[in-house]
Amino acid sequence: DAMVIQNPRYQVTQFGKPVTLSCSQTLNHNVMYWYQQKSSQAPKLLFHYYDKDFNNEADTPDNFQSRRPNTSFCFLDIRSPGLGDAAMYLCATSLDRGTYNEQFFGPGTRLTVL
Amino acid sequence: DQQVKQNSPSLSVQEGRISILNCDYTNSMFDYFLWYKKYPAEGPTFLISISSIKDKNEDGRFTVFLNKSAKHLSLHIVPSQPGDSAVYFCAASARQAGTALIFGKGTTLSVSS
Repeated sequence: DAMVIQNPRYQVTQFGKPVTLSCSQTLNHNVMYWYQQKSSQAPKLLFHYYDKDFNNEADTPDNFQSRRPNTSFCFLDIRSPGLGDAAMYLCATSLDRGTYNEQFFGPGTRLTVL
Repeated sequence: DQQVKQNSPSLSVQEGRISILNCDYTNSMFDYFLWYKKYPAEGPTFLISISSIKDKNEDGRFTVFLNKSAKHLSLHIVPSQPGDSAVYFCAASARQAGTALIFGKGTTLSVSS
């Protein structure tokens, strides 16, 4: 089955210790997104890639970076995690950009910061 | 400042009855609205959508109604089934904003048999 895979499903890191979350897709979609969802909050878009073109949301902290080495993979790097970065991180893909393109989500990685 | 609001964190309904999930928005530029469904330990999955040129869209047991003047949309599930128990997210986007989907906080629906 074509899908969006996120690894690991649970990640524990220490305050200030860099961490990388991984997302891969078998859908061959052009667009990949990273969302942050804090407890009882709405998912919030951090950034997205359209092919290799990186698009950062205006209010995404500099602490968050992303890499997309190829079509299938996208990484979320948190350079110095703080306690406030503990959240569920959702990866999503869509075939193309634009309002009407359905987004397909992975199961998420729950990040704990100690 | 929340642009998409789901004011009911939870809803409980009996099997066979109608479930009505509500969503309000503040940005009049939004022109496309979606509902996503999320089971535990899974990512959200697309359920149904509606464009601002329509006031109703139906897909099987699921119907979404849009009231632009009230900036309100609702998702009706008839009849409700225990397998519908999940978190439902309302999301909206504006064409000028490109790809950004703005989500609500979600409503947890519990359907009892």
